[in-house]
Amino acid sequence: DTEVTQTPKHLVMGMTNKKSLKCEQHMGHRAMYWYKQKAKKPPELMFVYSYEKLSINESVPSRFSPECPNSSLLNLHLHALQPEDSALYLCASSQERGGSYEQYFGPGTRLTVT
Amino acid sequence: QQQVKQSPQSLIVQKGGIPIINCAYENTAFDYFPWYQQFPGKGPALLIAIRPDVSEKKEGRFTISFNKSAKQFSLHIMDSQPGDSATYFCAASMMNTDKLIFGTGTRLQVFP
Repeated sequence: DTEVTQTPKHLVMGMTNKKSLKCEQHMGHRAMYWYKQKAKKPPELMFVYSYEKLSINESVPSRFSPECPNSSLLNLHLHALQPEDSALYLCASSQERGGSYEQYFGPGTRLTVT
Repeated sequence: QQQVKQSPQSLIVQKGGIPIINCAYENTAFDYFPWYQQFPGKGPALLIAIRPDVSEKKEGRFTISFNKSAKQFSLHIMDSQPGDSATYFCAASMMNTDKLIFGTGTRLQVFP
């Protein structure tokens, strides 16, 4: 089983709102990721948590705040977003296989900022 | 040197054809090369992956060919079906790293 779940599927928020995206995996994977994907573009890495600690932050603006409450859960807190932040937000988790990390993506949250 | 170049940008084939998507890289430290399939509005799904110690890997109708000396790898889809219509991304990463470097994607359309 390689399922990563994300909620909500769709989210519309104003620029002054605060909202959170949630991600869950029960595969025992040691790392979890947040990606942002714009239309017709590849996913862009935002954050990586390895063993529940933030290991990579790709210079993401502070209006995006990640949180990893435990090894199965990953949140992305959103505050004061801009319309250009509208995108598909993808969560992934990975398992180690022979020194490489196989990443499995969730279905994504379609975010629209108005 | 961190880039992965992918071509073509889009591809149209008839059902039963064999679309081929190509990727090239510069960084010889890359040692893991996955392919992802993404349908509109969905997350990318890991399709097949290869390491540099093999030249070819098959899983069902999907085949990766790998040319280490040329620093190129490609995805072949045998007997393509309309249900294969999707965007395909190649990617690369180095051992024991979490960063996947994605290609720019290829939109494949398979017509009946």
